[in-house]
Amino acid sequence: AQSVTQLGSHVSVSEGALVLLRCNYSSSVPPYLFWYVQYPNQGLQLLLKYTSAATLVKGINGFEAEFKKSETSFHLTKPSAHMSDAAEYFCAVSEGNTGFQKLVFGTGTRLLVSP
Amino acid sequence: EAGVAQSPRYKIIEKRQSVAFWCNPISGHATLYWYQQILGQGPKLLIQFQNNGVVDDSQLPKDRFSAERLKGVDSTLKIQPAKLEDSAVYLCASRSTGGTRDTQYFGPGTRLTVL
Repeated sequence: AQSVTQLGSHVSVSEGALVLLRCNYSSSVPPYLFWYVQYPNQGLQLLLKYTSAATLVKGINGFEAEFKKSETSFHLTKPSAHMSDAAEYFCAVSEGNTGFQKLVFGTGTRLLVSP
Repeated sequence: EAGVAQSPRYKIIEKRQSVAFWCNPISGHATLYWYQQILGQGPKLLIQFQNNGVVDDSQLPKDRFSAERLKGVDSTLKIQPAKLEDSAVYLCASRSTGGTRDTQYFGPGTRLTVL
């Protein structure tokens, strides 16, 4: 069975500081990995995804993540936080290239950005 | 391209009442998902359709929840009767079988409150 662990239910940073949100996964097959962002009262928006191509993945809004198989990690980073980045972030895993994709989500990390 | 549409956005009912949610996926997307997101948790898959057939409903509480996808397009999720623990956001997502088949696109969700 696949699973995702997101370390830290809340992360607080100052505007302009580095953002680092941690995600570790467990999968018995080569995984696909995703980061989604959820703003209040909205659905989930895809930030970026790893699908077995380049291990460093760049997404929208200046975010990027690096797939590290040896560490079973897929941490999300952004060099400089903006107030508009305040939201809930979810890491998710699915079994690689299968026809019926089933996502398993972590419990989420709420990013708080202070001026 | 229009996104995934859901209605209603909010619903308040009393326990033991019935409720139904509607989802219209992105045009042409064959795969449709319903997720339940309880406050403070990540989304959990309830049911997955491929066209109008059920692929996975292993986590759907079938004694009270039902879902259908007539003609392989719109879908309806029903709860009858509702319990207090059903209070959650119900998210619908769809996925292409084409070039972006590794990505699920989410609707805004329906927030259900059971009193």
